[in-house]
Amino acid sequence: GQQLNQSPQSMFIQEGEDVSMNCTSSSIFNTWLWYKQDPGEGPVLLIALYKAGELTSNGRLTAQFGITRKDSFLNISASIPSDVGIYFCAGQEPGAGSYQLTFGKGTKLSVIP
Amino acid sequence: GAVVSQHPSRVICKSGTSVKIECRSLDFQATTMFWYRQFPKKSLMLMATSNEGSKATYEQGVEKDKFLINHASLTLSTLTVTSAHPEDSSFYICSATREDEQYFGPGTRLTVT
Repeated sequence: GQQLNQSPQSMFIQEGEDVSMNCTSSSIFNTWLWYKQDPGEGPVLLIALYKAGELTSNGRLTAQFGITRKDSFLNISASIPSDVGIYFCAGQEPGAGSYQLTFGKGTKLSVIP
Repeated sequence: GAVVSQHPSRVICKSGTSVKIECRSLDFQATTMFWYRQFPKKSLMLMATSNEGSKATYEQGVEKDKFLINHASLTLSTLTVTSAHPEDSSFYICSATREDEQYFGPGTRLTVT
């Protein structure tokens, strides 16, 4: 199946700093999604992107659907301690049945107070 | 937002026994549910697509006779790990589709001793 390359794998940042992470694929996606997962919990949707070039914000989070449809980034501004967690990108391929998603390997974010 | 629950949240079983994990959509009906497996510090790997009233669709490399999926109603899918072995120890997460979005359950931590 499709592979997603997500980077960086992990980040250590100071509270208040901005964060950026991205995902790339070798093929196009129709939908890009960004999730956050806390330890021992299921992923929670942060932002969904449905059109190439789309830029969407959710509070301090901003994500963009790359115009080539092969990449997406997530920015977090002014990070706070509760931003700690693992962030996953996920994509839905054209023609994928039943909304099947492919996940990136995750970016583990640590925020130093 | 939509709520998906899983039961149990944690289970420890002996090698050779079978374990059933339930996934419920609490406030909506889901014709399609997904089962994922997640190893520590790894991404979510789709195991199978569970369709209400029909057989599940398994991803390549997932043994359908070992991981039995039953989607008996529009709000319940079950995953049974048969003859469990220590290598089946993992975090199992389900999701349910509502309109265009997947909503994830909180996960079930399975430990096989």
